[in-house]
Amino acid sequence: EVQLVESGGGLIQPGGSLRLSCEATDFTVSRNYMMWVRQAPGKGLEWVSVIYVGGSTFYADSVKGRFTISRDNSNNTVYLQMNRLRAEDTAVYYCARGLSSPKGYMDVWGKGTTVSVSS
Amino acid sequence: DIQMTQSPSSVSASVGDTVTITCRASQDISSWLAWYQQKAGEAPKLLIHATSSLQNGVPSRFSGSGLGTEFNLSISNLQPEDLATYYCQQANTFPSLFTFGPGTKVDLK
Repeated sequence: EVQLVESGGGLIQPGGSLRLSCEATDFTVSRNYMMWVRQAPGKGLEWVSVIYVGGSTFYADSVKGRFTISRDNSNNTVYLQMNRLRAEDTAVYYCARGLSSPKGYMDVWGKGTTVSVSS
Repeated sequence: DIQMTQSPSSVSASVGDTVTITCRASQDISSWLAWYQQKAGEAPKLLIHATSSLQNGVPSRFSGSGLGTEFNLSISNLQPEDLATYYCQQANTFPSLFTFGPGTKVDLK
């Protein structure tokens, strides 16, 4: 069964760092573009980042310069390294697979991992 | 940047009703629009992409329409399992930016 499982969330102090992981089952992350989307408590969805098959990456302005998306092909896992965390980064972080055609949409989602930034 | 709005922000309807949600883009996005359903405590689920293409397994009571800056999601014969928040998402700025609408909550009257 095609599946995404996120991990790595937790409680972290402002200014701290956290690395989220997203492990894929039954498909290969290196052959798909992969995204991170977050949802603050009681709020809507916010796209965070994308990594493409060729390795190019893009970020939302709200996280540019602080977050880095990457992947490990051997582990079939996508990561989100989050540095200089702020209270407003508190959210459930979802990993999603990009739809192969047409492009630009997200067809498989994980259940999410929760990040809480607080002192 | 392209801004997305949705109306209404919430709607109450009865089983069997038809519900229509509108999504508007701040500039022309052609047909680059998707709809997602998110039930309470769950991850979002892709319902429709490219304005009107139903994802595999999505009931035919869901339909999408529109072009340019105004789009609609219609749910006919509303069922209890359709209670959820619905989000639109533009993909016109692929590959560098994706934007969601603020969501529309559908609940039972």
